[in-house]
Amino acid sequence: AQTVTQSQPEMSVQEAETVTLSCTYDTSESDYYLFWYKQPPSRQMILVIRQEAYKQQNATENRFSVNFQKAAKSFSLKISDSQLGDAAMYFCAYRSRHSGNTPLVFGKGTRLSVIA
Amino acid sequence: GAVVSQHPSRVICKSGTSVKIECRSLDFQATTMFWYRQFPKQSLMLMATSNEGSKATYEQGVEKDKFLINHASLTLSTLTVTSAHPEDSSFYICSARDKDRFFPTEAFFGQGTRLTVV
Repeated sequence: AQTVTQSQPEMSVQEAETVTLSCTYDTSESDYYLFWYKQPPSRQMILVIRQEAYKQQNATENRFSVNFQKAAKSFSLKISDSQLGDAAMYFCAYRSRHSGNTPLVFGKGTRLSVIA
Repeated sequence: GAVVSQHPSRVICKSGTSVKIECRSLDFQATTMFWYRQFPKQSLMLMATSNEGSKATYEQGVEKDKFLINHASLTLSTLTVTSAHPEDSSFYICSARDKDRFFPTEAFFGQGTRLTVV
């Protein structure tokens, strides 16, 4: 079974600064997807960014980018120019590519605080 | 983007009663729906996976007779917590996917339901 580990329960960053959230995963599969989800106080899950394992290029979405290291099974999220609205729980997630019915496997989350 | 509507957002029920939570895909056909449970300050734990017209597949440790899942149509799945007890109090979240329409990995989440059993 696949597992996702987020080793930082809490992180904080100054507004306008950059922060990196860590995520490692364990799998025997070679083809899969990785995601970062944001859960603000409203608790609505919001997709931040996704990465396909067969793509070497790191995904970017505006201020959000990932550092995907397939051999190391590492998938960190970098948030640039942090904003107050970025404060939330961030979950790293894994999904197998083998079937359309496979669910997401989540890490335990990292609570990000943004300091004005 | 696609919208998943979950209702109710909050519910309080008495111990021993049943409560139903609805999850609707508003603008796409949800061929697969997932139900998660989230305890305070914890991650999302998968409870079950349901495909339209089929019986739900439950994760190990989840009582299928207590958490009844029905996915009778392509736009609606329901989770019924039967004979609820205080330990069932939690935040329940549904997620829906249409494998034929969207990027295959895309999954859309409902707003969640906070269940309190008193």
